[in-house]
This record gives sequence, structure tokens and C-alpha cells, in this order.
Amino acid sequence: SSELTQDPAVSVALGQTVRITCQGDSLKNYYATWYQQKPGQAPVLVIYGKNNRPSGIPDRFSGSSSGNTASLTITGAQAEDEADYYCNSRDSSGNHWVFGGGTKLTVL
Amino acid sequence: QVQLQESGPGLVKPSETLSLTCTVSGGSISSYYWSWIRQPPGKGLEWIGYIYYSGSTNYNPSLKSRVTISVDTSKNQFSLKLSSVTAADTAVYYCARERRDDIRGLYYFDFWGQGTLVTVSS
Repeated sequence: SSELTQDPAVSVALGQTVRITCQGDSLKNYYATWYQQKPGQAPVLVIYGKNNRPSGIPDRFSGSSSGNTASLTITGAQAEDEADYYCNSRDSSGNHWVFGGGTKLTVL
Repeated sequence: QVQLQESGPGLVKPSETLSLTCTVSGGSISSYYWSWIRQPPGKGLEWIGYIYYSGSTNYNPSLKSRVTISVDTSKNQFSLKLSSVTAADTAVYYCARERRDDIRGLYYFDFWGQGTLVTVSS
């Protein structure tokens, strides 16, 4: 079982704001990283560190954290944001990597 | 732009060894950590292990007894071997580059290969 817990599915109306969460003890010590994965494609990095976006990622994606919970927020969700989202961090020992189980985002 | 490409057999028999290679282009394999990550059909991502360009490794404890990751800096490649495979090892296997900044506490995978499906079946 994963040491990072995500809701399996979330939905959002087009243009509205949605928050995807990730919980785990390791998040007290390490930032969560967020990846977007569309069907048949490799994951794409969307947020890393406190709230950093790689070049090319729209600024409607943002990250935050509090205690053992990290969040990915999409402000003004677009149809192309429909995808699976995975959180990831170092584990509590700091020696390995762990992934959340993923959240399927549906844009209505 | 760094690119990663996985290669290897798409079909492996049960009890045999799965072998994959990741070729890195557009940048050097040196000074970075490189990981293997897999995704069973319809399921989530699982980290398998990483290797530093110098050869040091670390593996997922759940797979450690069956995994070997190696690096060939002269070819800008790193490889995965997973022994004694079963149907549960059927997955898309990805290679990825790790970025680490211990001072700022930043750890993430910035470049991924497209993935290769490996099916374990007789």
C-alpha cells in the first residue's frame, strides 16, 4: 500500500477551481511533487518544491502544503486538464521514493 | 532538451529475467540520479529503484531481492534487471531523471521516457 494517500476521483465544472490532496507522514519533512498523466502518455511534472512550475506549465496550477497534507490547486480548470494526477515525495526515511495512488480528475 | 528512451523485450516468460535499457540523449548521464518506475495496466506508479552515475544504487524494499540497476556512462545508458518475474510484473516501465537539491529540499523527476510495456506471459 502507498504511504501517500489521494482521493481516487475528483470532478470539477469547466472554469471552476479544484483542489487535489495528498496525505502522508513524509510530507511533514518533504515537499510533494505533482505529476499529470493523460491516457497512454508518460507523467508530466507540473509542480515541485513549495510551489514551483516547470516551464510550459500554465499558472492555473499551484501547490501548497500544511502539516502532512499537500494540495494541487487548478484555478479555472480547462478541458485539457482532465487527467490522472499523482503526488510523489521521498519516504519518511528519506532513502526511497513513494507515489500516491493517483486522483482521476474529470472536468464536467 | 534531455530525452530518455526505454528499450527491451516486450514479452517475458514467467520465472525469467526482465531486462530493459534507458538511453539518455541531449545531455550527459553524469552528475544525476536515474530511476526506474513502473505502472501496471490501469494502476498507479511504483518506484523501482535509482542509480547514481557513479554506480551507487537504492531499491524499493518490496522489490530489492529481485532488482539490479546498472549504468554505462560511456554509452549514456542505464539498465534494469528484474528476476523471477510473474504476471504481477506486467507493467509499463518508465525511466526518469531525478533532480535533487538538498539545500532547498527539492526532489523530483523532471524528465521521463515514453515508457515501454512489458508483459509477463508464457
